[in-house]
Amino acid sequence: DTAVSQTPKYLVTQMGNDKSIKCEQNLGHDTMYWYKQDSKKFLKIMFSYNNKELIINETVPNRFSPKSPDKAHLNLHINSLELGDSAVYFCASSQVQGRTSGYTFGSGTRLTVV
Amino acid sequence: TQLLEQSPQFLSIQEGENLTVYCNSSSVFSSLQWYRQEPGEGPVLLVTVVTGGEVKKLKRLTFQFGDARKDSSLHITAAQPGDTGLYLCAGPNRGSTLGRLYFGRGTQLTVWP
Repeated sequence: DTAVSQTPKYLVTQMGNDKSIKCEQNLGHDTMYWYKQDSKKFLKIMFSYNNKELIINETVPNRFSPKSPDKAHLNLHINSLELGDSAVYFCASSQVQGRTSGYTFGSGTRLTVV
Repeated sequence: TQLLEQSPQFLSIQEGENLTVYCNSSSVFSSLQWYRQEPGEGPVLLVTVVTGGEVKKLKRLTFQFGDARKDSSLHITAAQPGDTGLYLCAGPNRGSTLGRLYFGRGTQLTVWP
């Protein structure tokens, strides 16, 4: 049973296309995140949702739009993809209220824009 | 400006050697976490240290939180090839948004057989 699963694992697409990445967690955590890992392995937060409410929205282009239909799912939609969007995108979850936990990460989506 | 500075950035050693990696900040953290990331996978939580001066052991890995809660170290005894990976420290800064973690840039460890 995968705790945090994200799909697809690999995504190769042309500039200008629109794509989505899906994430689901079965840990019962109340908070979910999207992180971007660049070529130098730096993890930078993009968005965070707590119980379906957006609580962190970093300086990310408007072309990126997260959606959380329920607290177990957090999807990321990207419009008009650019070369600079190429990176590995990680979904993560944690329990923030009550007994707090560390992050549980998905295995990542490697996005390549050509 | 990086909130958490990790050193060294790269470390390449032979199996059986000992090593220490560092995570430093000028800010106080309520806790610090260490993660290990292997190629093609997401980071995996190894440990959380909460109390200043705290030492935690995980088999051959020893984690220490500085007395002032501004730094942490990870010591590996008798490193093995299976220890190879990117080691990341992370922590919630005072006043940071609910659940938010700041990550260091990591130490890439390679252990050769």
